[in-house]
Amino acid sequence: GAGVSQSPRYKVAKRGQDVALRCDPISGHVSLFWYQQALGQGPEFLTYFQNEAQLDKSGLPSDRFFAERPEGSVSTLKIQRTQQEDSAVYLCASSPGTSGGAGYNEQFFGPGTRLTVL
Amino acid sequence: DQQVKQNSPSLSVQEGRISILNCDYTNSMFDYFLWYKKYPAEGPTFLISISSIKDKNEDGRFTVFLNKSAKHLSLHIVPSQPGDSAVYFCAADFGGSARQLTFGSGTQLTVLP
Repeated sequence: GAGVSQSPRYKVAKRGQDVALRCDPISGHVSLFWYQQALGQGPEFLTYFQNEAQLDKSGLPSDRFFAERPEGSVSTLKIQRTQQEDSAVYLCASSPGTSGGAGYNEQFFGPGTRLTVL
Repeated sequence: DQQVKQNSPSLSVQEGRISILNCDYTNSMFDYFLWYKKYPAEGPTFLISISSIKDKNEDGRFTVFLNKSAKHLSLHIVPSQPGDSAVYFCAADFGGSARQLTFGSGTQLTVLP
């Protein structure tokens, strides 16, 4: 496809369950970002990959959150032992450029995965 | 500590008139400022950006103004159209090796026909 895709689009989990959210970035995009968007708020940064390297994970809220991008394309965000406060929309974005470059590298967002933890 | 703030959660404007969306920031180290537009059930879509070394950037009906001394930026949409109705997010980028975006909480724009 032409854009960033995410699956599933909706996920309902029982508290304590593990979930895995998938992101397919635009082909050839080097940079990949995960954001968490709570209801009524703007997206908040979780983590950033350049190819397969996770260069920044400072936004991950706890050690229950884990992200990977093993082959430098598809990425998975995993949340272990989900809690109600994890309920949010999880957005993935990709960008063609790398960090440190001149100018601004536009980030292209997927539609998000809405996670509801009961 | 919110570094990017959008104090107006909603704005209604008549079709054909100007829409002005405002954004304030606290961190003077931001290098780029951006506006994203979001329709329901879709991801944010990039609209327009401005470098911290400029004070204005224009793209068609959209103009972004940056006032660094006031740490304030605004998005002007002229003329407003019903299809512009969406949530608008202001975002900032530190540049360099830290390319994650810091977002405001968004403003819901409704353009009335």
